[in-house]
Amino acid sequence: GAGVSQSPSNKVTEKGKDVELRCDPISGHTALYWYRQSLGQGLEFLIYFQGNSAPDKSGLPSDRFSAERTGGSVSTLTIQRTQQEDSAVYLCASSLARLGRAQETQYFGPGTRLLVL
Amino acid sequence: AQTVTQSQPEMSVQEAETVTLSCTYDTSENNYYLFWYKQPPSRQMILVIRQEAYKQQNATENRFSVNFQKAAKSFSLKISDSQLGDTAMYFCAFMKDYGNNRLAFGKGNQVVVIP
Repeated sequence: GAGVSQSPSNKVTEKGKDVELRCDPISGHTALYWYRQSLGQGLEFLIYFQGNSAPDKSGLPSDRFSAERTGGSVSTLTIQRTQQEDSAVYLCASSLARLGRAQETQYFGPGTRLLVL
Repeated sequence: AQTVTQSQPEMSVQEAETVTLSCTYDTSENNYYLFWYKQPPSRQMILVIRQEAYKQQNATENRFSVNFQKAAKSFSLKISDSQLGDTAMYFCAFMKDYGNNRLAFGKGNQVVVIP
């Protein structure tokens, strides 16, 4: 079946503009994760959605970052008033994880490379 | 918070030979999961192998195998009969057995397979 898809593949924006990054998880996967991959910080967890539960936003670096997941499927990561330090690859992953139990492997999308000029 | 450490940032290996990547981690948990992911230039993060901490037997997947030493908190990856398609960044990752299931990644090892 289809894997995790992300769009756009690449995004160039000007400092101060807002951007939206999209993630389509594997069909039937209840858990969805966003990670950021940057040269200086490596791979960092951003946010986690599990079914209808409140998301775990503990990894979001500032209040300029937000994410939502509509209908338990597609997710959008929004970065407001982008800064140059937001330049990174944003990776989305999904899994069959059940609340409170890890167990399931996370499968990643190809990522969105964001460049803030 | 769990920390994952990978040394040897870049390694080269001749095609058909064997390379071993090291990974250590720090945790107070007893049950957890460990993973190796590879990331080729295409950026796609691909699962290579997975190990459950409660299993003593080392995981294997075709040419990929791990040496899991729980007491030493060590989780090395061995790539046998290296192929050109193995050229990639390899990330070691840790996940707790409960909670938000986030992955904690090491900094990665660049592996280059030379023909």
